[in-house]
Amino acid sequence: QSALTQPRSVSGSPGQSVTISCTGTSSDVGGYNYVSWYQQHPGKAPKLMIYDVSKRPSGVPDRFSGSKSGNTASLTISGLQAEDEADYYCCSYAGSYVVFGGGTKLTVL
Amino acid sequence: QLQLQESGPGLVKPSETLSLTCTVSGGSISSSSYYWGWIRQPPGKGLEWIGSIYYSGSTYYNPSLKSRVTISVDTSKNQFSLKLSSVTAADTAVYYCARRFARAAFDIWGQGTMVTVSS
Repeated sequence: QSALTQPRSVSGSPGQSVTISCTGTSSDVGGYNYVSWYQQHPGKAPKLMIYDVSKRPSGVPDRFSGSKSGNTASLTISGLQAEDEADYYCCSYAGSYVVFGGGTKLTVL
Repeated sequence: QLQLQESGPGLVKPSETLSLTCTVSGGSISSSSYYWGWIRQPPGKGLEWIGSIYYSGSTYYNPSLKSRVTISVDTSKNQFSLKLSSVTAADTAVYYCARRFARAAFDIWGQGTMVTVSS
């Protein structure tokens, strides 16, 4: 299976909103409502931010939201803060297996 | 609260077998609500799912690694393990164990362990 496609990098200023896309196929993103998003700071383990396309685990700020249209899922971060600067990965269920995206580096200007 | 901890050799020789164990503390690995998985991250690169296991022993593997991977569970020790055979330098990575609570949602991760493949 191929990795999901994410932009290499995105950027935004504090207070602004940014959206990170995650494109797959009808066999993964488009076929199931099981997309998750992870935030990873340097040297740290990934942290679950969104699951089942748009659900937030307890403790994740509501500035983080997820959506999906067709074969593309999106993570939107509103009211950008300095601590949001990190790498973000999407992940999709694909039947009997799981596939990650290549990752997106978010820079807060 | 639930914690996961990876353990195993940090250096493995090419062509040999990489073996890691994940110890679950603060909860039972035998819960019917979860799968347990291994994910790796080569230096400077993205995440790659290796495989997952249920407490009953049912396994699911990344098709690209399936021929070399074995994941097993020991409920008596509250542990699950990874074996990756015939390793090459391309298998050098940080290896994470994690709890999977939904179809593609890993909510609790270990701190990760760096494994280098080198002679």
